[in-house]
Amino acid sequence: DQQVKQNSPSLSVQEGRISILNCDYTNSMFDYFLWYKKYPAEGPTFLISISSIKDKNEDGRFTVFLNKSAKHLSLHIVPSQPGDSAVYFCAASVRSSNTGKLIFGQGTTLQVKP
Amino acid sequence: NAGVTQTPKFQVLKTGQSMTLQCAQDMNHNSMYWYRQDPGMGLRLIYYSASEGTTDKGEVPNGYNVSRLNKREFSLRLESAAPSQTSVYFCASSAQLAGGTYEQYFGPGTRLTVT
Repeated sequence: DQQVKQNSPSLSVQEGRISILNCDYTNSMFDYFLWYKKYPAEGPTFLISISSIKDKNEDGRFTVFLNKSAKHLSLHIVPSQPGDSAVYFCAASVRSSNTGKLIFGQGTTLQVKP
Repeated sequence: NAGVTQTPKFQVLKTGQSMTLQCAQDMNHNSMYWYRQDPGMGLRLIYYSASEGTTDKGEVPNGYNVSRLNKREFSLRLESAAPSQTSVYFCASSAQLAGGTYEQYFGPGTRLTVT
């Protein structure tokens, strides 16, 4: 069973507009969530994270929102830029496991059109 | 500072052949991981090593073995490759941060095709 789901395989937005990527999870033990960005032929790179004690974390153009009651998180990119075109993965972990294991979603391919 | 390195970058195997994917990190991280990425499936954890001397199964361990050779190196072995193991393989490492959180750093990947 997929514990972390990204139900939109792809998203296309115009440059300058907002991109919203969504992620749902089923395991209530998850208490730390991350977003990774991946360009073709490269490994994923860390983008932003949020702890379950917060409902929002902001870093420049990137903001992650967490709704624990709905088991839902979203990544907002404002304004979107062509260089943001990539695959975005959300991931979740249980901090008390002390293993650093991450469970990833399927990924959403974002295309930002100039 | 090379971060996480993986060799080879590309490999083609015939069904039944064996091979070892190599991974090394120079960030003095305790934990290392092997993932595979398949279309529509995201990144799935194959095996991980929370610390030197320990290894554990992830979500999809069947058909693979691992060795944590030392703190820097973590290898993934396919004993008898199958077409279902055609994938892109990523190695990652992480260290524990404040608050018990981890941030994983990934290598560039190995693209494996099994015919």
